[in-house]
Amino acid sequence: QKEVEQDPGPLSVPEGAIVSLNCTYSNSAFQYFMWYRQYSRKGPELLMYTYSSGNKEDGRFTAQVDKSSKYISLFIRDSQPSDSATYLCAMSAVGANNLFFGTGTRLTVIP
Amino acid sequence: NAGVMQNPRHLVRRRGQEARLRCSPMKGHSHVYWYRQLPEEGLKFMVYLQKENIIDESGMPKERFSAEFPKEGPSILRIQQVVRGDSAAYFCASSPPGQNSNQPQHFGDGTRLSIL
Repeated sequence: QKEVEQDPGPLSVPEGAIVSLNCTYSNSAFQYFMWYRQYSRKGPELLMYTYSSGNKEDGRFTAQVDKSSKYISLFIRDSQPSDSATYLCAMSAVGANNLFFGTGTRLTVIP
Repeated sequence: NAGVMQNPRHLVRRRGQEARLRCSPMKGHSHVYWYRQLPEEGLKFMVYLQKENIIDESGMPKERFSAEFPKEGPSILRIQQVVRGDSAAYFCASSPPGQNSNQPQHFGDGTRLSIL
């Protein structure tokens, strides 16, 4: 069993839709949770960084962490064509040096 | 550009040659991480370094791979005697110094290594 599971998609939505991206994990030691956006032929760009459970909002993006279910989500409101990219979840334990990544979900926002 | 800089962006090597990948961290960052991304797979941690020290190399293959982060200059990921299976995108990330080791990691655009 992979430590981090993420549906690879692809996911296509019309412009303006609300997008929901999710990851599940198996290691209860994970306390730090991140979402990265990766455009084709580019490196991952950090979008959201959260600690433990709860919600965090930044503009059109909201990250949610449910540690009891080992489930994290990223919501994108009013999606734009420029949001078309692969979204990667990542997580780490306290004091750990390495991140564990999901395989990424490819999102296309259709104008 | 104050971001993480990696070069070259693309590198082609024949089997048995050596590959050297370079990474300059973001300004003010002293921690460097190397990850490998294979097609259809997530990024996999390889090694974590601070200046002149390898802190965690638990993700590095035991043979042919080495990494360094000298006092001066970029971090280097070195792959000796490359094989076809080494073809991948190699990403470097950096984070600022701090007591909390879970600082956010910021990534470069990677080096895409192709082995002929």
